[in-house]
Amino acid sequence: DQQVKQNSPSLSVQEGRISILNCDYTNSMFDYFLWYKKYPAEGPTFLISISSIKDKNEDGRFTVFLNKSAKHLSLHIVPSQPGDSAVYFCAASADDSWGKLQFGAGTQVVVTP
Amino acid sequence: NAGVMQNPRHLVRRRGQEARLRCSPMKGHSHVYWYRQLPEEGLKFMVYLQKENIIDESGMPKERFSAEFPKEGPSILRIQQVVRGDSAAYFCASSPAGGLGQYGYTFGSGTRLTVV
Repeated sequence: DQQVKQNSPSLSVQEGRISILNCDYTNSMFDYFLWYKKYPAEGPTFLISISSIKDKNEDGRFTVFLNKSAKHLSLHIVPSQPGDSAVYFCAASADDSWGKLQFGAGTQVVVTP
Repeated sequence: NAGVMQNPRHLVRRRGQEARLRCSPMKGHSHVYWYRQLPEEGLKFMVYLQKENIIDESGMPKERFSAEFPKEGPSILRIQQVVRGDSAAYFCASSPAGGLGQYGYTFGSGTRLTVV
């Protein structure tokens, strides 16, 4: 039962342009959402998060948007840089779940010169 | 200030052998989560432990898998009689208290288990 879905397995974007990654979820109990970035042979590293009481959170080049009615969130990276090439995972948690995360399958981002 | 340490980084086991994966949480962290990533998939929750207690093992396969987090020493994920389908990357994460906090929790670099 895949409760968090990332339907785009890959994304190629030119350096300097905007990267938009999408994530959909089905569980209305989710109230906290995170994006993790992962390089090969490394563990995921936290990128940005958003609580369900907000619809936008911004941190430097990274902005996450949450549309609760559509059960959809997106991550915008602008401008994209070569070091952003990685796999990005969307994750969600419900308040009563001890911090247990449900992950999407990930989107491989490739930033080209 | 070391992060979450997992060892070994790579582990090769023959079918039927036992695999032991170790996780040392960050200093001061007493909560540990284990996740598994199968090829081409996202991470899947396995188990959440505090020192000497299993809090949530809803993601653990019913057989062959066990986890512990003793009062002293690292957390151990143990897989008995491994099969090829156990081949995956196993990640451990730690937090100072239960839950995610503002910045999620910190993951280790993982143990890549290959069953031959």
